[in-house]
Amino acid sequence: GNSVTQMEGPVTLSEEAFLTINCTYTATGYPSLFWYVQYPGEGLQLLLKATKADDKGSNKGFEATYRKETTSFHLEKGSVQVSDSAVYFCALRKAGNQFYFGTGTSLTVIP
Amino acid sequence: DTGVSQDPRHKITKRGQNVTFRCDPISEHNRLYWYRQTLGQGPEFLTYFQNEAQLEKSRLLSDRFSAERPKGSFSTLEIQRTEQGDSAMYLCASSPPFRQGATGELFFGEGSRLTVL
Repeated sequence: GNSVTQMEGPVTLSEEAFLTINCTYTATGYPSLFWYVQYPGEGLQLLLKATKADDKGSNKGFEATYRKETTSFHLEKGSVQVSDSAVYFCALRKAGNQFYFGTGTSLTVIP
Repeated sequence: DTGVSQDPRHKITKRGQNVTFRCDPISEHNRLYWYRQTLGQGPEFLTYFQNEAQLEKSRLLSDRFSAERPKGSFSTLEIQRTEQGDSAMYLCASSPPFRQGATGELFFGEGSRLTVL
């Protein structure tokens, strides 16, 4: 079946630290991959996406590369800020219309 | 352009009561989804509409749950005879018509939080 496995949190980092949140997926074919972010008290927002192998999605200093050989889509940021504190969800979309989400990784950035 | 709006944002009810949530998608988005999210979990798919047709339903959607999208615009999700296990955040998302090369990402509302006492 289709599934997404995310690195468990919570993750606590100091400001300007390097961030990696691991995400691996199980799917047949060629899914599209996404990272969504949920800030406190807000709905999920699309952070970045990639539609095919070796694509790199990027936004707000975050990056993730679609690695088909390792079925991964790890989220990275070189220097996190307090405002990046949120819950991050990895997701995949298969042909058809269902999205499959990971369980989310809570990030807290301390000054 | 307004985003996806959901109403009410919070609902507290007693076990056994019926509740209804409403979702207004982004205009011109023909696809509408309902998800459920519990604490510490990611969104779980409940059901999907394309225009007014309900095309997919999850096994999570028991016979106490019903969703409609009568005119292909707003949607309602009704839960009858609520149980404490129904306590969760109910998320609505919409997506524009599929076009070649598009990824069909979801645009989420802020959710309706249900607490069943």
